[in-house]
Amino acid sequence: AQSVTQPDIHITVSEGASLELRCNYSYGATPYLFWYVQSPGQGLQLLLKYFSGDTLVQGIKGFEAEFKRSQSSFNLRKPSVHWSDAAEYFCAVGANDMRFGAGTRLTVKP
Amino acid sequence: NAGVTQTPKFQVLKTGQSMTLQCAQDMNHEYMSWYRQDPGMGLRLIHYSVGAGITDQGEVPNGYNVSRSTTEDFPLRLLSAAPSQTSVYFCASSYSSRNYNEQFFGPGTRLTVL
Repeated sequence: AQSVTQPDIHITVSEGASLELRCNYSYGATPYLFWYVQSPGQGLQLLLKYFSGDTLVQGIKGFEAEFKRSQSSFNLRKPSVHWSDAAEYFCAVGANDMRFGAGTRLTVKP
Repeated sequence: NAGVTQTPKFQVLKTGQSMTLQCAQDMNHEYMSWYRQDPGMGLRLIHYSVGAGITDQGEVPNGYNVSRSTTEDFPLRLLSAAPSQTSVYFCASSYSSRNYNEQFFGPGTRLTVL
């Protein structure tokens, strides 16, 4: 069965520092992978998605993610974090029957 | 476009009561879905629909019913509420599940079952 693991429950980074959020997936075929962001009290917004092709995917707000099939990973990165990036981030896999990870909460220190 | 709308925003039920969470979208999306969000567990898919008249179960369907009589609406019914159904419920839609397009999420309904 498909599943997603986000190993880090909570990450704190300083503003301006780089960020990497980890995501590992289990999926029987070519995975369809997504990263969503949720601000407090809000719904989810898509940051980026991967279906096929170039394994480095660019998204909104300066985020990117790299698909590594050999490691079953789809880690999210940003070179320089802004205070407004503080939120919860979810990795997801699948199509009709989508599975989300438990989420990583990002805190940004001034 | 209003996007994906959900009503009510907040609801308190007693154990055994029934209710319907409403979800509507005005984007002519084929695919609609319901998730519940619980602390430390992310979002879990309850039911989904790939078009009017077609529904299917997700990861946690027990205790919930759905129907899709129109493209726009996808209500979620709790027939006999239980405290374990206390959660935040999100409805989402996308243009087409076959193209695995972006899902657009509603603002959520916070449900408490006493």
